Amino acid sequence: GAGVSQTPSNKVTEKGKYVELRCDPISGHTALYWYRQSLGQGPEFLIYFQGTGAADDSGLPNDRFFAVRPEGSVSTLKIQRTERGDSAVYLCASSARTPSKDTQYFGPGTRLTVL
Amino acid sequence: DAKTTQPNSMESNEEEPVHLPCNHSTISGTDYIHWYRQLPSQGPEYVIHGLTSNVNNRMASLAIAEDRKSSTLILHRATLRDAAVYYCILRDDAGGTSYGKLTFGQGTILTVHP
Repeated sequence: GAGVSQTPSNKVTEKGKYVELRCDPISGHTALYWYRQSLGQGPEFLIYFQGTGAADDSGLPNDRFFAVRPEGSVSTLKIQRTERGDSAVYLCASSARTPSKDTQYFGPGTRLTVL
Repeated sequence: DAKTTQPNSMESNEEEPVHLPCNHSTISGTDYIHWYRQLPSQGPEYVIHGLTSNVNNRMASLAIAEDRKSSTLILHRATLRDAAVYYCILRDDAGGTSYGKLTFGQGTILTVHP
């Protein structure tokens, strides 16, 4: 079956611009996670959704970052006034049922470059 | 989540076994040991997980020390496709406040030589 998909695969933008990154989780998965991975580092947790609500957004670095999941499926990560330090690969993952016990399935990521 | 320590890199030859170590001396009783790997230009993928007993699946085996302060991921016959970064992660799967999020370290870069 289809895995987690993310679009676009690459995004190049200029400092100060607004970007949206999209994640399509595996059908039926109620839990959705966003992570950010800088070069040479492991992924870093940003936010977790259970259904439509953000259950844990403690990893969002500041108020320029925001994510939504209005219908409990597709999620969009939004970054306002982008900065060069936001350049990274943004990964999305989903899992079924009980998130604390289930495997997370990751998408291929969106590589964001802020010039 | 408790911290894990892994070697930065390891090398292996194709078709030989590989033992990837992980130290987690501050592990708590409800922490499960999870292993994920990340192939080049891909998102991480699940490999295996366990609590106390050794575990086997089609990808690998997980050997857990009796005191649970360390574990070893075993790839029985490495292939070129196993070249990846391997992450050892502790997660409180008892339904605590982790909400299932994974806390990645820097992992071990595994190089497999033909």
